[in-house]
Amino acid sequence: AQTVTQSQPEMSVQEAETVTLSCTYDTSENNYYLFWYKQPPSRQMILVIRQEAYKQQNATENRFSVNFQKAAKSFSLKISDSQLGDTAMYFCASIQGAQKLVFGQGTRLTINP
Amino acid sequence: DVKVTQSSRYLVKRTGEKVFLECVQDMDHENMFWYRQDPGLGLRLIYFSYDVKMKEKGDIPEGYSVSREKKERFSLILESASTNQTSMYLCASSRGTGLLKNIQYFGAGTRLSVL
Repeated sequence: AQTVTQSQPEMSVQEAETVTLSCTYDTSENNYYLFWYKQPPSRQMILVIRQEAYKQQNATENRFSVNFQKAAKSFSLKISDSQLGDTAMYFCASIQGAQKLVFGQGTRLTINP
Repeated sequence: DVKVTQSSRYLVKRTGEKVFLECVQDMDHENMFWYRQDPGLGLRLIYFSYDVKMKEKGDIPEGYSVSREKKERFSLILESASTNQTSMYLCASSRGTGLLKNIQYFGAGTRLSVL
């Protein structure tokens, strides 16, 4: 069975700093996708970034990038030049074959002014 | 943009009541999902549906049922609400089969309190 683990329940950084959120996963498949979702306070959960397992190149979306280490089954999210609007719960998730997403426990990130 | 709409942001119900949570998506998506979100546990899948009138149990289906009579609408039913069902409920939809089509889009959530 797939599992996804986020070991940092909470993190806090100053505005403009860089922050990295950790995620590890377990799967027996070769073909799968990994995602980071963001859930701002009292707002809708949105997709931040996704990574296809067969691609070696790390995905990047503006200030958000991932460090995908397939052998280590690690998928961390780096937020550069953090902004107050980045304050949110962040969930790591994986999907393989079937349509079901498996989520980690979440990391509550606070960006301080 | 995909829009997933949940009928209520907040609900307060009493133990034993029958509760309906409604979800509508406007992008003709095949798949729809119901999750509950609890602190420290992330999102856990309750039920999902690949097509009209079709449903599959997720990881925690006990105490819940679902209905999908129309493609755009997916309802979560608590037959007899209990206090341990107090939670945030999230609905999601995705386009179809195949990994690339499985990006899920979420509603804003319904925070249910059972007293």
